[in-house]
Amino acid sequence: NAGVMQNPRHLVRRRGQEARLRCSPMKGHSHVYWYRQLPEEGLKFMVYLQKENIIDESGMPKERFSAEFPKEGPSILRIQQVVRGDSAAYFCASSPRTGIMETQYFGPGTRLLVL
Amino acid sequence: DQQVKQNSPSLSVQEGRISILNCDYTNSMFDYFLWYKKYPAEGPTFLISISSIKDKNEDGRFTVFLNKSAKHLSLHIVPSQPGDSAVYFCAASDGSSNTGKLIFGQGTTLQVKP
Repeated sequence: NAGVMQNPRHLVRRRGQEARLRCSPMKGHSHVYWYRQLPEEGLKFMVYLQKENIIDESGMPKERFSAEFPKEGPSILRIQQVVRGDSAAYFCASSPRTGIMETQYFGPGTRLLVL
Repeated sequence: DQQVKQNSPSLSVQEGRISILNCDYTNSMFDYFLWYKKYPAEGPTFLISISSIKDKNEDGRFTVFLNKSAKHLSLHIVPSQPGDSAVYFCAASDGSSNTGKLIFGQGTTLQVKP
């Protein structure tokens, strides 16, 4: 029973390039959350998606960042024109249902380094 | 504005003794709390949770206590084992948002010495 899958595990980009991070939720889970962890900090919520819908993007930077969760395939977090400040670990989590008392299960993360 | 705070960046205990990790929150709308453990280069692993209608939840060596009036929760690990050495994050669910997003503390690094 595979857990949450994320790829790539490590990603190096130069300033101005695009970064695409992928997340496949646990089997049976249709709710996906993205979090970012900056060095020496806790995880910060970015966006919550269900299939084909963005439900809450209150934690997403207004520019350069976008997310999607298509009907088929993984959820994608896309960062355009990356800057050094985007260097962080990006974690995806999934849950089977929405609700404030649903446990979220996390993937191993993608570590983005912007040179 | 840090709504969930873990004021101790690190904690060191001897194997076999009790580890107590603390967490404070400011938002009275939080009504579900979770603890995650994280090893380097891995994602957070769910440990234990508690809803605001309870003041204690126990699972094996792990017990979480919630004091709503003080807006404080703690995780007790007893007995502590070297494999428990990791970063522990407390997280709270924002009940007013109705999306289940988690608000995390900064983490406490626990070292259990053999």
